[in-house]
Amino acid sequence: QQQVKQSPQSLIVQKGGISIINCAYENTAFDYFPWYQQFPGKGPALLIAIRPDVSEKKEGRFTISFNKSAKQFSLHIMDSQPGDSATYFCAALNDYKLSFGAGTTVTVRA
Amino acid sequence: GAVVSQHPSRVICKSGTSVKIECRSLDFQATTMFWYRQFPKQSLMLMATSNEGSKATYEQGVEKDKFLINHASLTLSTLTVTSAHPEDSSFYICSGRLAGGGEQYFGPGTRLTVT
Repeated sequence: QQQVKQSPQSLIVQKGGISIINCAYENTAFDYFPWYQQFPGKGPALLIAIRPDVSEKKEGRFTISFNKSAKQFSLHIMDSQPGDSATYFCAALNDYKLSFGAGTTVTVRA
Repeated sequence: GAVVSQHPSRVICKSGTSVKIECRSLDFQATTMFWYRQFPKQSLMLMATSNEGSKATYEQGVEKDKFLINHASLTLSTLTVTSAHPEDSSFYICSGRLAGGGEQYFGPGTRLTVT
């Protein structure tokens, strides 16, 4: 049973466009929400993370929007580049354990 | 960021043999290390959590006698897949967590293929 639901499963975006990935959770004990980027055959790498007392966090072209009342959070990738083509996982931390979303494969077309 | 390495990166073994995978935190002390398994085009599934010097805690459905975890030092954890079978073929990823910190730092993964 996936504790964090992620959508879409995949998306294609043109270079320079915006990629948006959404996640939802039920467990209100989650207190840290990271996003990971994973390239084929590699381990996941932390991209950006947010705590529930903040509604938005921006780092470069990556922005997390967090809606605590709706128990939803999303990743926006601005000005998408071909090098951003990867699988993105949202996650949520409770105590010391991470629960991962199912992943979104992003393809950026040049 | 903190660096975690895994060795080997790829391993092929015959059915019935055992395989050991090492996970090292190179520039920090990981009081807690985690082992995940990832099947193709799927998410990461936590297998077990280990604290240095303690027995590992396994997630429901993970056979502790099949997946032996040792966390002998603050920089090294090992996962041994005993009597491996083709269904154990997967991508195994470890992560380390700093003492008192929430962030996990992931290794590059080990691709295990059991023939």
